[in-house]
Amino acid sequence: ILNVEQSPQSLHVQEGDSTNFTCSFPSSNFYALHWYRWETAKSPEALFVMTLNGDEKKKGRISATLNTKEGYSYLYIKGSQPEDSATYLCAFSGSARQLTFGSGTQLTVLP
Amino acid sequence: EADIYQTPRYLVIGTGKKITLECSQTMGHDKMYWYQQDPGMELHLIHYSYGVNSTEKGDLSSESTVSRIRTEHFPLTLESARPSHTSQYLCASSVGETYNEQFFGPGTRLTVL
Repeated sequence: ILNVEQSPQSLHVQEGDSTNFTCSFPSSNFYALHWYRWETAKSPEALFVMTLNGDEKKKGRISATLNTKEGYSYLYIKGSQPEDSATYLCAFSGSARQLTFGSGTQLTVLP
Repeated sequence: EADIYQTPRYLVIGTGKKITLECSQTMGHDKMYWYQQDPGMELHLIHYSYGVNSTEKGDLSSESTVSRIRTEHFPLTLESARPSHTSQYLCASSVGETYNEQFFGPGTRLTVL
């Protein structure tokens, strides 16, 4: 059974604060690491697919880094806005190519 | 607009009823998936399909069944619903070898009384 862990489980920040979350995954048989954003009552939305050690991806104020050797990825949000409030999921893809999800980090940005 | 649809979005039903959760995608994706999520927990893969007439069970054992008669349609059926089936069910699809990037529907929240 693959173990994908996300921390923290939940987070409250003030508008304008920068924040980051962690995803830990197995460091062996790595294929890809996915980040999704899931707003309440909507579909999970893909943010990044990361495949190479040292990858850095950026979309607007959101960025992510990947360390496959030690098995972790960070997601950063710069200058959080209320519309960033969502659950952020990471998913590990190994040799079997299926996605194994973490339980998510629930972010609330307070105005 | 290419998308993935799930109906119903919410369903409250009594024990023993047969239910079918619908999932359709307009993206022409070969691969489709069903995940189950209990509150505060991870999404768990319960079924997947790599094409028409192909279905497999996922990591999490489920009493549900699926079918894939058409590329765009991947319904999930529970023959006799029980309170233990209360959960959120998400459908997803992906195309070829794009690192298995999956596109999700909005989910069906099922409550069995």
